[in-house]
Amino acid sequence: KAGVTQTPRYLIKTRGQQVTLSCSPISGHRSVSWYQQTPGQGLQFLFEYFSETQRNKGNFPGRFSGRQFSNSRSEMNVSTLELGDSALYLCASSLVGSYEQYFGPGTRLTVT
Amino acid sequence: GESVGLHLPTLSVQEGDNSIINCAYSNSASDYFIWYKQESGKGPQFIIDIRSNMDKRQGQRVTVLLNKTVKHLSLQIAATQPGDSAVYFCAESTVTNAGKSTFGDGTTLTVKP
Repeated sequence: KAGVTQTPRYLIKTRGQQVTLSCSPISGHRSVSWYQQTPGQGLQFLFEYFSETQRNKGNFPGRFSGRQFSNSRSEMNVSTLELGDSALYLCASSLVGSYEQYFGPGTRLTVT
Repeated sequence: GESVGLHLPTLSVQEGDNSIINCAYSNSASDYFIWYKQESGKGPQFIIDIRSNMDKRQGQRVTVLLNKTVKHLSLQIAATQPGDSAVYFCAESTVTNAGKSTFGDGTTLTVKP
């Protein structure tokens, strides 16, 4: 079974721009969660989607948003990028109701 | 090469030794505790989990201990190998919010040949 895939793997953007990251979950996994990983803050939960609905949201500003499509694929968007948004963005998929999450390799976003 | 009780950001052990990685969690209402391994350039990988009503769980070469009294979790790796070198994270989750895990600070384990 193919693992979680994330595209693109690397991205360089300029302050003020916006970015969209994509995640394809493992086949059969309908829950998708997003995390931000930075050296200073560690892994922080962004949001979780199931059945195209946001189920949980972490403590991030409204510039961070996401969505999920009917095939369970998910995207996250960050608008008006700031230098502090530079991070590894990880997507994880799981079976509904399962805490066992399968992570993708992440998208490395650099904001200059 | 062992550390008991205290969370250390880095841990260096000799190949073949046992390793103990510690973690303190914050939410006494968490239902599950999970250990993840993250290798360079990859996302975290599930290692082992333990339910809140258990004290100990064993896997292949790994054992997780849970002390709810002091909200402490530990991961023991037996006969540590170079392939175990990675960053290890503990995480906690609840039944009602299974897709939302709260991660602890990682520990970078380096195994010296």
